[in-house]
Amino acid sequence: QITLKESGPTLVKPTQTLTLTCTFSGFSLSATGVGVGWVRQPPGKALEWLALIYWDDDKRYSPSLKSRLTITKDTSRNQVVLTMTSMDPVDTATYYCAHRAYYNMPFDSWGQGTLVTVTS
Amino acid sequence: QSALTQPASVSGSPGQSITVSCTGTSSDVGGYNYVSWYQQHPGEAPKLMIYEVSNRPSGVSTRFSGSKSGNTASLTISGLQAEDEADYYCESYTSSSTWVFGGGTKLTVL
Repeated sequence: QITLKESGPTLVKPTQTLTLTCTFSGFSLSATGVGVGWVRQPPGKALEWLALIYWDDDKRYSPSLKSRLTITKDTSRNQVVLTMTSMDPVDTATYYCAHRAYYNMPFDSWGQGTLVTVTS
Repeated sequence: QSALTQPASVSGSPGQSITVSCTGTSSDVGGYNYVSWYQQHPGEAPKLMIYEVSNRPSGVSTRFSGSKSGNTASLTISGLQAEDEADYYCESYTSSSTWVFGGGTKLTVL
């Protein structure tokens, strides 16, 4: 059974850097083709694709947010970390991490999400 | 990359069929067969319903089906049930080697 859980601060001040951790179980991020990604959803709005890291450390970023995002993995600890710099109130959203079983396959398992509010 | 275009809302009565469209470009929907659909109930994480345009994951009702023509993908739900009331999002692979979601469609079961 695959599970994922997001953790990190619930409140962030404008201009600060957000660091979120996705801790997972039920799969290995060293298995061929496997990926873990991040998606966010502002309150009442649509999903937005953010970033993805593959088993071989191949990283993909949303073109519109690429300059602000960094995704890394710690395979031994079953964790993926997303950092987002220069936080702004418009970045207030629920942030989800999710599992991809193989390269271009979809997100088949999702975490519960964590709400991050950006406010001074 | 811009979000894929979906209607803001659709509605139907129990037992009826509805279709949700997802329009992109030749750089995303039209260029690849990596289109997925997700269902999201309020307060919950999205759930995968369709992948690779028309494939259903194990456990998803056969009432859900997907298709694609040119730059537009479609999700059809037949035999509409009250539990189908939710938000639906399409997702496509893009020529930037990333993915993009649609703006979401709220399905109301009348």
